[in-house]
Amino acid sequence: RKEVEQDPGPFNVPEGATVAFNCTYSNSASQSFFWYRQDCRKEPKLLMSVYSSGNEDGRFTAQLNRASQYISLLIRDSKLSDSATYLCVVGGSSYKLIFGSGTRLLVRP
Amino acid sequence: EAQVTQNPRYLITVTGKKLTVTCSQNMNHEYMSWYRQDPGLGLRQIYYSMNVEVTDKGDVPEGYKVSRKEKRNFPLILESPSPNQTSLYFCASSPLRGGAETQYFGPGTRLLVL
Repeated sequence: RKEVEQDPGPFNVPEGATVAFNCTYSNSASQSFFWYRQDCRKEPKLLMSVYSSGNEDGRFTAQLNRASQYISLLIRDSKLSDSATYLCVVGGSSYKLIFGSGTRLLVRP
Repeated sequence: EAQVTQNPRYLITVTGKKLTVTCSQNMNHEYMSWYRQDPGLGLRQIYYSMNVEVTDKGDVPEGYKVSRKEKRNFPLILESPSPNQTSLYFCASSPLRGGAETQYFGPGTRLLVL
C-alpha cells in the first residue's frame, strides 16, 4: 500500500464547477500536510498547507480528518488556469515529505 | 529573488558516462533534497541533507551520490548512469524548524540515458 494515495483522475470539469480531491495517508504519526500544484512537467509549488481546523484560501478549501487519515481539497468556481496536477503531501516527525502521485485536473471552457 | 537553481536543465548522455547535476539555493536553508519523478510513481526521494557534511539516503539511493560541502550547494552525481535512471529530477530545499516544512523546488532536470 502506498503511504499517500490519490485518485489519479483526470477530473474533467467545466469552468465554474466545484471539484473535490481526496487523499489518504497510512502513517497515523504524520504531522504536516500540504497540497502542491504541478503544471505539466514543471516543479511542484506549494498551493496551501492543511491545518487540523481546515483552512481556506480564496476559492480553495483544505480539510484534514486525522481519525480517518484523509485530506481533501475543494476548488470552487474552477478556472481554466486551475488545470494542473494536484499533489497531496504528508510529513512525519522527521523532515521527510511523502508525495502522492497526484490528481490531474482538466478544466474545459 | 529567493530560488533554487539546477543545471543542466536537459541532458542526454550514454550509459556509463559520469555526470553531475548541480543544485544551488540562496535562502540559507539547512535541508536539501533530491527527488526523481517518474510517471505513475510520483516524487521519490533519492538523498537528502540536513546540513553541511550531513547527508543520508532517501527511498531510491542506488546509483546516485551526493555531497554537501557548502550550505547552498547540493550536487547529484551519477557515477555510471544507466537507462533506468532516465527521469525528471528535482532538487528542493527547506528550513529546519522542527518538522517537515514546505519545500521549495528547482525547475527540474530532464535526463535521458541511452
